[in-house]
Amino acid sequence: QVKLQESGPGLVKPSQTLSLTCTVSGVSFGSGDYYWSWIRQPPGKGLEWIGYIFYSGDSYSNPSLESRVTLSVNTSRNQFSLDLSSVTAADTAVYFCARLLGEDYFDSWGQGTLVTVSS
Amino acid sequence: QTVVTQEPSFSVSPGGTVTLTCGLSSGSVSTSDYPSWYQQTPGQAPRTLVYSTNIRSSGVPDRFSGSILGNKAALTITGAQAEDESDYYCVLYMGSGIYVFGTGTRVTVL
Repeated sequence: QVKLQESGPGLVKPSQTLSLTCTVSGVSFGSGDYYWSWIRQPPGKGLEWIGYIFYSGDSYSNPSLESRVTLSVNTSRNQFSLDLSSVTAADTAVYFCARLLGEDYFDSWGQGTLVTVSS
Repeated sequence: QTVVTQEPSFSVSPGGTVTLTCGLSSGSVSTSDYPSWYQQTPGQAPRTLVYSTNIRSSGVPDRFSGSILGNKAALTITGAQAEDESDYYCVLYMGSGIYVFGTGTRVTVL
């Protein structure tokens, strides 16, 4: 059974870079059917897709965030990561990592981690 | 940027039926958009309900069903139960590797 777990700082200062890692277990990370994704949810608001990365390193991002988003993958550690640069208070959110199955739907989710942007 | 719209809220009586919809700010939703639906309770990660328009995820009760109604994707809860009180989100595939979440619908069962 696949399990995803987010990790990273819970507090980031404005203008700095938010960095999170998702560790995947219970599944072959390099399967051609899996796309590893990031999704966020500001407090009291809806879900927003950030982007996804394939095990090969190919990635796609939300056009509204693309200029600030860097996605990376470490297949030897079964991990993928998100860097979001130049953060502001508007980037305060619960960040989820999730598996996108066959470019079709998000079938497995991490529990989410709250990141607060504040000085 | 494309906006995926959902009703802000719905109220349904226990045992009743409610249909949530998922539409595009411009254009129609089709099966080629691979609509999927997720249920989220406060403080929890979303749970997958339906994908590829109308395929129920493993373990999802059959009172949840997905479809295309007119120019929108739809999620129908038939015989609503108290535990169905949640937020519901749709997701559409926009092509070129881009996904968009809907604005979400809060369903109250009372």
